[in-house]
Amino acid sequence: DTGVSQNPRHKITKRGQNVTFRCDPISEHNRLYWYRQTLGQGPEFLTYFQNEAQLEKSRLLSDRFSAERPKGSFSTLEIQRTEQGDSAMYLCASSRGDRGLLWQETQYFGPGTRLLVL
Amino acid sequence: QQQVKQSPQSLIVQKGGISIINCAYENTAFDYFPWYQQFPGKGPALLIAIRPDVSEKKEGRFTISFNKSAKQFSLHIMDSQPGDSATYFCAASGSEKLVFGKGTKLTVNP
Repeated sequence: DTGVSQNPRHKITKRGQNVTFRCDPISEHNRLYWYRQTLGQGPEFLTYFQNEAQLEKSRLLSDRFSAERPKGSFSTLEIQRTEQGDSAMYLCASSRGDRGLLWQETQYFGPGTRLLVL
Repeated sequence: QQQVKQSPQSLIVQKGGISIINCAYENTAFDYFPWYQQFPGKGPALLIAIRPDVSEKKEGRFTISFNKSAKQFSLHIMDSQPGDSATYFCAASGSEKLVFGKGTKLTVNP
C-alpha cells in the first residue's frame, strides 16, 4: 500500500504530557501537510513542508507545537505540555506539489491520529 | 474567520435521489476547489476537484457546478446510494493550504 500512513492511530495522554505523532507520506511526494480536525468541523491547516523545509505555519500552531521533516521523508508532530483543548484528530496529507496540473495538487490524507487529553 | 461556508449541515435523501451540497467562498485568490468524502474514523478522500476556468465537471455520479461571479460551487451526487452516506467537505485553495467548509453529513436511506 503506497498511501499516507500515520502512527499511532490513537493516543490517550494526561494533561501536561508530551506526545509525538509520525506521518509517512506517499513516496516521491515532496509536500507534506498537517491539519487538525475537531468533532463536527472540517480540517484546519497547521503547517506544511516542501521537502525538508517548513514553509508555512498557522496561527493555530502555538509554541507548544513543533513539526519536523528530516531529510524530506517522514514527518513528526510534537505537542509539548498537552492541554485538554489539544484533543482532536491530527491529519497528515501529502502531494506532488506542483500547482500547474490539477492532479498534482491533490492532497492525499492519511487515516489520522486521534488524540485524547485527559 | 470562516472563508468557506458550506450548507446544509446535514442532508437525508432516498436511494436513487439527488444529493446537493453548496459552498460559498470569499477569497477571490482561491483557484482550486476540491470536494472530499470522509467516513467515520478515516481521513478525507478526494472525490472531484475543479478550477474556476470551467463551470462544470462531471466524474461518474459526481458533478461540481461552479459559479465564479457568485463565488459559489456545489456538489451534485446523482443516483445516491446508501454507500454514499458519509460527511462531505468542500475546500478551496489559493496557495498551498486547503481551507475547508464545516462539512455536510449525508445519509442515504435504502
